[in-house]
Formats: sequence, C-alpha cells, structure tokens
Amino acid sequence: DAGVTQSPTHLIKTRGQHVTLRCSPISGHKSVSWYQQVLGQGPQFIFQYYEKEERGRGNFPDRFSARQFPNYSSELNVNALLLGDSALYLCASSEGYPDTQYFGPGTRLTVL
Amino acid sequence: AQSVTQPDIHITVSEGASLELRCNYSYGATPYLFWYVQSPGQGLQLLLKYFSGDTLVQGIKGFEAEFKRSQSSFNLRKPSVHWSDAAEYFCAVATTDSWGKFQFGAGTQVVVTP
Repeated sequence: DAGVTQSPTHLIKTRGQHVTLRCSPISGHKSVSWYQQVLGQGPQFIFQYYEKEERGRGNFPDRFSARQFPNYSSELNVNALLLGDSALYLCASSEGYPDTQYFGPGTRLTVL
Repeated sequence: AQSVTQPDIHITVSEGASLELRCNYSYGATPYLFWYVQSPGQGLQLLLKYFSGDTLVQGIKGFEAEFKRSQSSFNLRKPSVHWSDAAEYFCAVATTDSWGKFQFGAGTQVVVTP
C-alpha cells in the first residue's frame, strides 16, 4: 500500500506570495494532521482534520488555513508568506482515534 | 503546561555500542507515547509506540523503549548501534482529548563513529 504522499517536494516562493501544499493520506485513513518543522526543531502542530471537519488548530496565525476533501486528501494554504515560514511541512494520517500517525516525506518550502 | 523534553540535543556513539535516548513528558492525562526517526531531508518513520499494557515495547530496527509512569519517562534503547542508525530521533506524546495533535520533543541527533 502507498504511504502518505505530499506534493510538491520542494517549493521556492517570495515574501508576500501564497502557497498551497497537498497531502494524500494512506488509503482508509480519515484523519490528516499538518505540522511545521523548522530546521533544528521538532515538528509543531498546525491543524488536524477528521472526517472533513477541523478538529484541532495549533498556535499559528490566520494566514494558515487548511481543508479536507471528500476523498480525505487535504490542502494547507499559507497566505502573505514571511521569511519565517521557511520550513519542512509534514502531513500525517491516521485511521481514527486513537491511532498512530504516519508521516509523509514533507514539502520543503523556502521563502526568499 | 504540557511538555515533552529530550534532554540530549546531540549524542555520539561508537558502532556496536549501546544507545539510550531520554524522553520526559509532563501531561495530566494518560499519555500515548511514540518514538520517530528522521533521516536528513526525510519525513518521520515510526520506530515504536506505547498505548497501554506491557511497559517494555519492541520496535523496528532492534529498538525498544520502556514506559516508566513514576518517572514520566519513555526512554529509547538499542543494544548495539549500526552506522545506519545515525539520524535524528523524536519523542512524541498525545492524549485522547488531543488526538491528532502530537507534541514533539526537540529531537536528539545521533552520530555513529566507526
């Protein structure tokens, strides 16, 4: 079975631009979470979606938004990019509550 | 406040030697505990998890971890390290009322020398 997939792999943007990151969960998994990992730190929770509803939000500004589609894939959107948004963005999926989260390879976002 | 602490930022170990990585947590509710490994530029791979039951859990790649409730710890061990174990290791904690919102430690970078 395919694992969690994310696209794109790498992305370079300039300050003020908008970016959309995509995630496809493992087949059968209904929960998707997003994390931001800044270089040298552990992942920080951004959002969780379960059955297409937002179930949790981390301490991130409103510039960050997300949604989950009927097929359980998900998008993370970031508006008005700042240099500090440069990070590895990780998507994780799980079957339900409580369950292990399985992580994708991440999207490396660089903001210039 | 809830927190996860990995006291060692960096550990250097000789190939064939034993390895122990420390993880301490501060949570009011019963925690679910995980160890993940991350190679450079890669996502996180699950090594092992503890939900309940036997406090000594076995994982992949020869790793094991022991949950000690009295010490609020979940330390990761491997009896004999291989060069391929060089990576960054993260401890993560979740609770039933915050499922999907894993809290991670800052990570421990493991370097393996010949």
